Amino acid sequence: AQSVTQLDSQVPVFEEAPVELRCNYSSSVSVYLFWYVQYPNQGLQLLLKYLSGSTLVKGINGFEAEFNKSQTSFHLRKPSVHISDTAEYFCAVRRAAGNKLTFGGGTRVLVKP
Amino acid sequence: ETGVTQSPTHLIKTRGQQVTLRCSSQSGHNTVSWYQQALGQGPQFIFQYYREEENGRGNFPPRFSGLQFPNYSSELNVNALELDDSALYLCATSQVGDNYGYTFGSGTRLTVV
Repeated sequence: AQSVTQLDSQVPVFEEAPVELRCNYSSSVSVYLFWYVQYPNQGLQLLLKYLSGSTLVKGINGFEAEFNKSQTSFHLRKPSVHISDTAEYFCAVRRAAGNKLTFGGGTRVLVKP
Repeated sequence: ETGVTQSPTHLIKTRGQQVTLRCSSQSGHNTVSWYQQALGQGPQFIFQYYREEENGRGNFPPRFSGLQFPNYSSELNVNALELDDSALYLCATSQVGDNYGYTFGSGTRLTVV
């Protein structure tokens, strides 16, 4: 079975400052990794994904994430946040041969002016 | 506009009642998954349907059941509602073999009183 731990439940950050959201996962088999964003009263939107290849993945809205196999981590970063980045962010894994996403508990990002 | 539409958006039911939630997806998205997201938590996998058959189930009791129709629409049925069933229910669709994650709808907020 897979599990995902998002180490920070809330991250306050000032506008135009960098942000890093931490994600660690546990799995005995190969997995695909995802970051989703959820704005208030909305569903989930895919930010980026890691399937294979380069460990640095670039996504939408200026976000990027780095896959670290030895540390089983997939941290999300953005060099300069905007007020509009205020949302909840979810890290998720899926077995390469599987059919379900396993999510972490989420990190709420609050961008302050 | 995600291409995945869920209805209704909000619903209030009484404990012990039954509820049906609906999801319609993009043409060609022949796989549909349902997730339950309790307040303040990450989504939890309920089950997945492919070609109108259930092909994966999470840790949910049999009173959670589903249907998938030839036009790619889907239903989630929950019998004998309990207070703990109060949550946001998300539908996610994809094409078989698509490793790019799933397209999520905006969800149905179910409140059981």
